[in-house]
Amino acid sequence: GENVEQHPSTLSVQEGDSAVIKCTYSDSASNYFPWYKQELGKGPQLIIDIRSNVGEKKDQRIAVTLNKTAKHFSLHITETQPEDSAVYFCAASIMGSARQLTFGSGTQLTVLP
Amino acid sequence: ETGVTQSPTHLIKTRGQQVTLRCSSQSGHNTVSWYQQALGQGPQFIFQYYREEENGRGNFPPRFSGLQFPNYSSELNVNALELDDSALYLCASSLGTGSLGTEAFFGQGTRLTVV
Repeated sequence: GENVEQHPSTLSVQEGDSAVIKCTYSDSASNYFPWYKQELGKGPQLIIDIRSNVGEKKDQRIAVTLNKTAKHFSLHITETQPEDSAVYFCAASIMGSARQLTFGSGTQLTVLP
Repeated sequence: ETGVTQSPTHLIKTRGQQVTLRCSSQSGHNTVSWYQQALGQGPQFIFQYYREEENGRGNFPPRFSGLQFPNYSSELNVNALELDDSALYLCASSLGTGSLGTEAFFGQGTRLTVV
C-alpha cells in the first residue's frame, strides 16, 4: 500500500520567515495530495491541495509543489505568523478509488514572535 | 468551521466494552470516511461509506464496523475495546467518491480513552 514520509517532524521559524515541509510517497498511482493543518484539540483543516496534472499551486501565503518523477511534494508558507503554529500533515490518495487518504506523520510548526 | 459534527467529544470506556461514535456530514455531502489518530501520529483510514454502503476499508479488524443512514450521517462501532483503541476518531465528509469526489472536510473528532 501507499506510504507517506514527512520531514521535518518539528520546525521552528521566526515570524516573517518562510517554512518548508517535505513529503515523499511510494505509490506512483497516487494523484491527489492535500495538506491539512491541525490545531490542538481540533480536527484537521484542509489548507491546500494539488492534483497530479499540476506542478504547483498557490493560495496567498501558502504554496504546494509536486514532483511526480521524484514522488515528492512540499508545502511552502511565506511570511509566517504566530497563528500558523500548528501540526501540519501531508497526505496522498488515488482518485478513482475510495480516496483513502494516507497521511504523513506530521510536522509541528512553531512560529516564534 | 467545516459543518461536520461528531459526538460525543470525549468518552471513557473499559476494556472489553463496546462503543458507538456518531458523525453528521456537511450539508450536501454523501460520503463519510472514518480515521483513527493515535497520539502524535497522522490519521489512519478505517473505512468509507458512500450512499449507505461501505466503499473501501483500511487495515482494521472486523470489530470496527460502521453504518451510514439515508441522511448520510454515520456511526462507527467498535466491539471488544482494547487499550490500543485509545485515540482520536475523526470523521470526514465529502461529496461523491473516486475521481469525481470533492475534498474531505474533517470534524473535530471524538477522543476515546480505554481503561
